[in-house]
Amino acid sequence: EAGVAQSPRYKIIEKRQSVAFWCNPISGHATLYWYQQILGQGPKLLIQFQNNGVVDDSQLPKDRFSAERLKGVDSTLKIQPAKLEDSAVYLCASSPPPGLAAFFGPGTRLTVL
Amino acid sequence: AQKITQTQPGMFVQEKEAVTLDCTYDTSDPSYGLFWYKQPSSGEMIFLIYQGSYDQQNATEGRYSLNFQKARKSANLVISASQLGDSAMYFCAMRVNQAGTALIFGKGTTLSVSS
Repeated sequence: EAGVAQSPRYKIIEKRQSVAFWCNPISGHATLYWYQQILGQGPKLLIQFQNNGVVDDSQLPKDRFSAERLKGVDSTLKIQPAKLEDSAVYLCASSPPPGLAAFFGPGTRLTVL
Repeated sequence: AQKITQTQPGMFVQEKEAVTLDCTYDTSDPSYGLFWYKQPSSGEMIFLIYQGSYDQQNATEGRYSLNFQKARKSANLVISASQLGDSAMYFCAMRVNQAGTALIFGKGTTLSVSS
């Protein structure tokens, strides 16, 4: 069974630029999560989807971050404009309904200069 | 508020020895799940073990076991017979209600295994 796919793996941008990350969850997993992991910390939830609906986006900085999950499969997370403090690893995870363990992708390491 | 606390920033162990990584949690909900993940330097999060709040027995998965003490609100991970490949960051996480809600993570413990 294929795991969670993410791209790109690495991205370097300058502040005020925009960036987008892509995630393809495990086939059949209805729940998809985006987490932000700042160096030295545990992952923090940004947004959770159930199929193509948003379940929880309470910690998503909506003035600059947006996410969508079209057709309940792939998802895209966008940052516009990026700030220095957005430098982090962005992890996508999925779980089957009703979710127990979440399975993570390899992450996208973002550096904002 | 739900919270996971991992008080050990780093742990050191010799190969073949056992090691315990501490985790305490805080929730007022009676239904919850506790998880441990391993994050090697490559960055991916690897699911290790799960314990449900109503499970009577401690969870085990190969060399991993979870020492669940409900009254103390602790869920320590025990790794037996440590291997060099166990060197990584370990995260304790909690899901409340087990209803597809998101995981809440602790800050992690770095484990270093030496030969």
